[in-house]
Amino acid sequence: GESVGLHLPTLSVQEGDNSIINCAYSNSASDYFIWYKQESGKGPQFIIDIRSNMDKRQGQRVTVLLNKTVKHLSLQIAATQPGDSAVYFCAENGARGNTPLVFGKGTRLSVIA
Amino acid sequence: DAGITQSPRYKITETGRQVTLMCHQTWSHSYMFWYRQDLGHGLRLIYYSAAADITDKGEVPDGYVVSRSKTENFPLTLESATRSQTSVYFCASSPMDEQYFGPGTRLTVT
Repeated sequence: GESVGLHLPTLSVQEGDNSIINCAYSNSASDYFIWYKQESGKGPQFIIDIRSNMDKRQGQRVTVLLNKTVKHLSLQIAATQPGDSAVYFCAENGARGNTPLVFGKGTRLSVIA
Repeated sequence: DAGITQSPRYKITETGRQVTLMCHQTWSHSYMFWYRQDLGHGLRLIYYSAAADITDKGEVPDGYVVSRSKTENFPLTLESATRSQTSVYFCASSPMDEQYFGPGTRLTVT
């Protein structure tokens, strides 16, 4: 069936380095994608989203890249800080307009001081 | 304060008891959702609602009941709790695409 997955379940980076978290999606009809950050004991927090008519979107220290050709989504975090340590989820909407998001299982990012 | 809140934050109950988890949002978002989060499964959708009095099943609805008589509230009821329903439950609301999550309720069924 359709699914949202992640290439790497865990990622460790040095403080100050850039982080890249990857996500593969299988529903080619999806037209909306979103990244969430979840810190221990808290609910998922919206980071950034992107629609399928774009291939790049930037926020504060974060950039989301969308490659529709290979159905790949990535989250780039610049100058990674200890506070970035968390689990990151990607999600897609399945292109049915207001369809509940389909979430991947998450990647844990650990920042090494 | 504006936002989305859940209560209780922690709950321990016994097998067979009825439990209701509350969710309240102040944004007047049309959509509301209930998820459970378990190790190895990520977020799984239980029920969602597109508007007051409109609800739909998600991926794992069995053993749960929802209602939405008011836009701002979306309670989740476990009619007869089972140990397999031990989990962390998240409520979310959405104006269109992006969802905003509450802080979660950690439920333990003994």
